[in-house]
Amino acid sequence: KQEVTQIPAALSVPEGENLVLNCSFTDSAIYNLQWFRQDPGKGLTSLLLIQSSQREQTSGRLNASLDKSSGRSTLYIAASQPGDSATYLCAVRSQGGSEKLVFGKGTKLTVNP
Amino acid sequence: DVKVTQSSRYLVKRTGEKVFLECVQDMDHENMFWYRQDPGLGLRLIYFSYDVKMKEKGDIPEGYSVSREKKERFSLILESASTNQTSMYLCASIRRLDARTGELFFGEGSRLTVL
Repeated sequence: KQEVTQIPAALSVPEGENLVLNCSFTDSAIYNLQWFRQDPGKGLTSLLLIQSSQREQTSGRLNASLDKSSGRSTLYIAASQPGDSATYLCAVRSQGGSEKLVFGKGTKLTVNP
Repeated sequence: DVKVTQSSRYLVKRTGEKVFLECVQDMDHENMFWYRQDPGLGLRLIYFSYDVKMKEKGDIPEGYSVSREKKERFSLILESASTNQTSMYLCASIRRLDARTGELFFGEGSRLTVL
């Protein structure tokens, strides 16, 4: 059974810092991995989608990498801003099943001015 | 852009009431999902549907049912609400052709409180 872990559960950084959020998964047989952002009381907004054949994806100040063999993904945020404060979730879509996404519990990021 | 709309953002209901949560998507997606999200437990899949009138149980279907009468609309039903169903409910959709490789799109969520 696929399990997805995100460590740390919470992270607080000063504005301007570059930071890395971590996501690990137990079964490397995946189709893809998706990173989401969630603001308090809101739904999930898709940030980046990495297919299993890809190593990384970039969008603006965000860069997500995938190392399928080791079961790890990282989300790199450059030059963090207070507006980046949110909870970040990763989710993997495993092969050999109903293609359901399995979610991590998220990392709550606070960027202090 | 894909839009997934959950009609009720905040609901307060009493124990035993029947509750309907509605979700509509505007991109002709075949696959639709209902999740609940609770602190410390993350997102858990309740039910999903691959097409009109089709439904599949997710990981925690007990106490819930669903209805998919039209392709764009997927409803979650709590037949008799209980306090342990107080939660954030999230609807999502994806095109069937993209089911393995595409992005899942979420609505804004419905915060349900059962008193």
